[in-house]
Amino acid sequence: EDKVVQSPLSLVVHEGDTVTLNCSYEVTNFRSLLWYKQEKKAPTFLFMLTSSGIEKKSGRLSSILDKKELFSILNITATQTGDSAVYLCAVRHYNTDKLIFGTGTRLQVFP
Amino acid sequence: ETGVTQTPRHLVMGMTNKKSLKCEQHLGHNAMYWYKQSAKKPLELMFVYSLEERVENNSVPSRFSPECPNSSHLFLHLHTLQPEDSALYLCASSQDLSNQPQHFGDGTRLSIL
Repeated sequence: EDKVVQSPLSLVVHEGDTVTLNCSYEVTNFRSLLWYKQEKKAPTFLFMLTSSGIEKKSGRLSSILDKKELFSILNITATQTGDSAVYLCAVRHYNTDKLIFGTGTRLQVFP
Repeated sequence: ETGVTQTPRHLVMGMTNKKSLKCEQHLGHNAMYWYKQSAKKPLELMFVYSLEERVENNSVPSRFSPECPNSSHLFLHLHTLQPEDSALYLCASSQDLSNQPQHFGDGTRLSIL
């Protein structure tokens, strides 16, 4: 059965800390892996990764994929209170547009 | 503002009521989706539409009935729901089914009494 597992389930840090969120997967016919940030409302798209070893970066956020070991990490440096959210990882099947989501990592950043 | 608008934002209904959730996207996308998000569970894909045709029905009970009259609008008709159907229902859209990111609406928080 296809599954996506995120760790840790929750994380509490202080502003300025660096965090690493993990996503491992067991999915047949992998096509891509996506990261989303969900505050109280709509999940907002962060990154889509298709190739191993190529880092995607946007400001203080970066992500990388390892297709051999079947995982991805999302790094956030110099965290701010506005980074507090649930971070969702999803994996897409090759032949369909179906996304399989993990349960998310809840990040809380305190001043 | 994500370009995907869902109404209503909150809905409380009894088990015998009939109601509909509405989703509209202003992104010019051709694919639309319904997801269910329950507490402490991953998002679950319910339905996928591409160019107004349903391409996936993920074993969803018949008390949920989707409708896609055109590529900008998607409805979810609800009838005789159960308490376990209480959840956040999210709509999403993407350019098409060719490995594009999906963009989500803010969701409808549904409570079944």
